[in-house]
Amino acid sequence: EADIYQTPRYLVIGTGKKITLECSQTMGHDKMYWYQQDPGMELHLIHYSYGVNSTEKGDLSSESTVSRIRTEHFPLTLESARPSHTSQYLCASRETGRDSPLHFGNGTRLTVT
Amino acid sequence: GNSVTRMEGPVTLSEEAFLTINCTYTATGYPSLFWYVQYPGEGLQLLLKATKADDKGSNKGFEATYRKETTSFHLEKGSVQVSDSAVYFCALSDPYNDYKLSFGAGTTVTVRA
Repeated sequence: EADIYQTPRYLVIGTGKKITLECSQTMGHDKMYWYQQDPGMELHLIHYSYGVNSTEKGDLSSESTVSRIRTEHFPLTLESARPSHTSQYLCASRETGRDSPLHFGNGTRLTVT
Repeated sequence: GNSVTRMEGPVTLSEEAFLTINCTYTATGYPSLFWYVQYPGEGLQLLLKATKADDKGSNKGFEATYRKETTSFHLEKGSVQVSDSAVYFCALSDPYNDYKLSFGAGTTVTVRA
């Protein structure tokens, strides 16, 4: 069962709306990540965090922002959604260490109309 | 930069058939290698991993061997079941980038009864 939770699972919104995708984990992991999964199923890292008050942009340019005020919580915000933001967003966390695997949430599938 | 490449598109096979999904990587240093699986409607789950050359990861009948000489980490299963239908991802952790994971494109596997 999942120890990392994403809400909502599905979201359909209109262009220009502000949205926040929630991600929480109960494992006490310092490292958390947001990936965007495109229709070709590739995963692209868009944001990551190594702990409270630490956030960095990933490899794929994204118009979203993130915050890390608490260890367990890593929300992603889109200030003004556009159809190009339609995608699946996956949150993940891991322990520190080279061999530690990522634990993924079930994702949020976002559709912007 | 470090990257992984999956070698084939969607795979369809019959129950009890042999499955191979190829994965090659490009990396400096000695990355750890992973296979993740994504079942319909879910996030990714770790399937197996290998942390150094010649290591063999195994789980649920799947195996993959870390081949440094061919920079490969091919996934194999001797007899697939319908329940193995999923999307499979090869990934590596970058030892020069704080072990962040890079994912290849997923391979959709469909097993028919």
